[in-house]
Amino acid sequence: EDQVTQSPEALRLQEGESSSLNCSYTVSGLRGLFWYRQDPGKGPEFLFTLYSAGEEKEKERLKATLTKKESFLHITAPKPEDSATYLCAVFFIYAGKSTFGDGTTLTVKP
Amino acid sequence: DAGVTQSPTHLIKTRGQQVTLRCSPKSGHDTVSWYQQALGQGPQFIFQYYEEEERQRGNFPDRFSGHQFPNYSSELNVNALLLGDSALYLCASSITWEGANVLTFGAGSRLTVL
Repeated sequence: EDQVTQSPEALRLQEGESSSLNCSYTVSGLRGLFWYRQDPGKGPEFLFTLYSAGEEKEKERLKATLTKKESFLHITAPKPEDSATYLCAVFFIYAGKSTFGDGTTLTVKP
Repeated sequence: DAGVTQSPTHLIKTRGQQVTLRCSPKSGHDTVSWYQQALGQGPQFIFQYYEEEERQRGNFPDRFSGHQFPNYSSELNVNALLLGDSALYLCASSITWEGANVLTFGAGSRLTVL
């Protein structure tokens, strides 16, 4: 069965302290990998799509990268407003749907 | 431009009851997917509707059923509610059902089963 694993489960940073979130998957046949942000009490909000190894996307303080078996979401000089749960979803060729990881809850302290 | 709208936002039911949740997709989207998100977990795929037909289904029992209307809106029905059905139910729409498409999510319907 398709497996998507995110680590760490929770991450606490000081404002300005850069770090990375990881998303790994165990089944080959990736068609696309998505990053979403979810604030408490809200639905996930789309951030990035990555399609092939070596691809990178950037938006403000966030940068997503993709290798053959994992993706990283790099957060540079985070601010308190970056606090949220970050979800990774993988679309496998034969699944026909996106499979989500359990997310990383990021807390940025001022 | 309205995004995905879901109703109701919160509801409380008792075990054995039935519930219907509603979703209107984003303008221009014709595919609706439903996800269940338990506290502290990622969304779990329930099913997907396109052209009023169920195209994909996740590992959920037949107590979970759905419908899509000609205007692309959708309903999720859950019969014989169990305590374990308590969760946030998310509706997501996309521009089509095939391929790796970006999902636009609604704010969800929070179901509590007592």
